[in-house]
Amino acid sequence: NAGVTQTPKFRILKIGQSMTLQCAQDMNHNYMYWYRQDPGMGLKLIYYSVGAGITDKGEVPNGYNVSRSTTEDFPLRLELAAPSQTSVYFCASKGAETPYEQYFGPGTRLTVT
Amino acid sequence: DQQVKQNSPSLSVQEGRISILNCDYTNSMFDYFLWYKKYPAEGPTFLISISSIKDKNEDGRFTVFLNKSAKHLSLHIVPSQPGDSAVYFCAASAPASGTYKYIFGTGTRLKVLA
Repeated sequence: NAGVTQTPKFRILKIGQSMTLQCAQDMNHNYMYWYRQDPGMGLKLIYYSVGAGITDKGEVPNGYNVSRSTTEDFPLRLELAAPSQTSVYFCASKGAETPYEQYFGPGTRLTVT
Repeated sequence: DQQVKQNSPSLSVQEGRISILNCDYTNSMFDYFLWYKKYPAEGPTFLISISSIKDKNEDGRFTVFLNKSAKHLSLHIVPSQPGDSAVYFCAASAPASGTYKYIFGTGTRLKVLA
């Protein structure tokens, strides 16, 4: 199993541009999450999904959109990128059984200039 | 409002000694807690968890203690090894309430000195 994969690994965007961060998992997990980690900070939840077709906002959803058309994929869309969105983005997935741990992807480092 | 707090940004410990990482939470609805370890340029990896019905959970060198009345948990690593040097995050959730959102602390950078 590849686990959770994210693309791209790095990206530089200009202010106002848009992009989609891709996330896929091959563990048949229903739950998927997007987090951002700013320097010296913990992970902040952007959006999450409890299954295909169902998404909900996390702590910091403004400026982002998500969709979940399949169990495997959970893309994160940035519209009109702003410098405040410079961060490292992590996608994670989780199964339904204990110990309820999340499996994280390797992250995407995004810089908006 | 920081619901999960790790008040020590960093910790240095000699190899072979005990490392104790602390985490405090404010939301009494949390009933499941996890610790993750993160190396640079990698995603966090799960280390150990504890349900609120327990006060201790052990897995090899790692033990997590939960004090519900104080809303405090700690991770003990014994003996500490240089490979344990990483950032450790605690996270809290409330699965008994039907929610599977996780709130993370800001992390503690552990350095184990050889």
